[in-house]
Order: sequence, then C-alpha cells, then structure tokens
Amino acid sequence: EPEVTQTPSHQVTQMGQEVILRCVPISNHLYFYWYRQILGQKVEFLVSFYNNEISEKSEIFDDQFSVERPDGSNFTLKIRSTKLEDSAMYFCASSDQFTGELFFGEGSRLTVL
Amino acid sequence: AQKVTQAQTEISVVEKEDVTLDCVYETRDTTYYLFWYKQPPSGELVFLIRRNSFDEQNEISGRYSWNFQKSTSSFNFTITASQVVDSAVYFCALSEAGETSGSRLTFGEGTQLTVNP
Repeated sequence: EPEVTQTPSHQVTQMGQEVILRCVPISNHLYFYWYRQILGQKVEFLVSFYNNEISEKSEIFDDQFSVERPDGSNFTLKIRSTKLEDSAMYFCASSDQFTGELFFGEGSRLTVL
Repeated sequence: AQKVTQAQTEISVVEKEDVTLDCVYETRDTTYYLFWYKQPPSGELVFLIRRNSFDEQNEISGRYSWNFQKSTSSFNFTITASQVVDSAVYFCALSEAGETSGSRLTFGEGTQLTVNP
C-alpha cells in the first residue's frame, strides 16, 4: 500500500542550527502538507503546498520556515534557525484531491537543545 | 474561525465496554469535512473516517461507529466492545472545502483512551 515516508525519524540539534526534514509523498498525490505536534498537545497545521507553491500557511509558519519540492518526489521542510520551542513531532501528509483523505507519514521528531 | 472541541481529555474503560468519544465543532462554512484519526503510542496518525457536511448518515465499520448530527454540531465516535489495542489518543478534525485551502485540518485536543484488561 502506498505510504508517505519521512526522514529522519528523530533528529537532535542545537538551538540556532538549520534543520531539514524530508518527506516523500504518495506518488500521484498533488497536495502536500506539514503539520506539527508539540509533545502532549494537538496537531497543528503549518503549511499546504500545491502546484509548486504554498497555498496556505498558518501563523506558526513564520520566516524561519520554508518548504520546497526540489524534485518530483521529495517535499522538504526547512527550519532556518531552530529555537527550543520548535521541538515537536513534524508530520508530512499528502492528498490526491483538495478535500480528500490526508495520508500522514510516521512523523519526524525534532529535539532542539 | 474553525474550532474543534473534544471535552474528554482522558477516558479509561475496561475491556469489552462500549465507549463514546465526543467531538463538537464550530465553522461558518456550509460545506466542510469531519475526520477522526487514531494516534497509538508509536506516534503515527491513522485515518479512521472522513465525512462531508451533506452526509448525515451514521456509519458503522466493524466495532467503530460514528454519529454525525449537524443540529448539535457534533461528530461522536463509539467503539463497541473495546479492546486493549484500542488504547490510543483519538483526534477529531475539521476541514473547510475551499478551492485553495486544500485539506487544512483543524484538530481537537484529542482524547486519551485507555482500555484496561
């Protein structure tokens, strides 16, 4: 069964460092997303991406964040200068229509020290 | 603005009991979608159901059933004859159906369900 894959599963970094989280969405999907879940809290929308551009972003997604689809398969989330409060589980998701089921990856846990 | 409320933070039941997880939502949209996701201890998000705002029929899938009532803005989830493997955090979520919004889900706070043997 097709699935969304994310790497790394866990990354530990020092505050101020740049981090790139990678995702391979399901191959025929057109819509891509990043969500974040701080430990013990609810899942929060960060950004949606369609047709090689951001279609929507939340207030969390500030200038420290960027997304890119560098080739036909990968979808990345970059955090330019990590802060302690960026520590969270980051979920990538994709969907094949704009109101369809979101398929989530298993998440990348980011720990900022 | 959209909002999803899951008033039950934690529920603990004994195996084979039925349990209902409540979800109340707020939206100004007339067309929207409701979801339930399961998050087991391993952390991934497992899709359970998607329901559009025009379909108020209740749905049953095995031991799972969902009761959607637009009149009370509720989308409750019932597990019949619960099992230990049902222990997880369950999230209710809402998305609007705008052309450019994609599936921007607004999640509730989640309900931690513990099923004890």
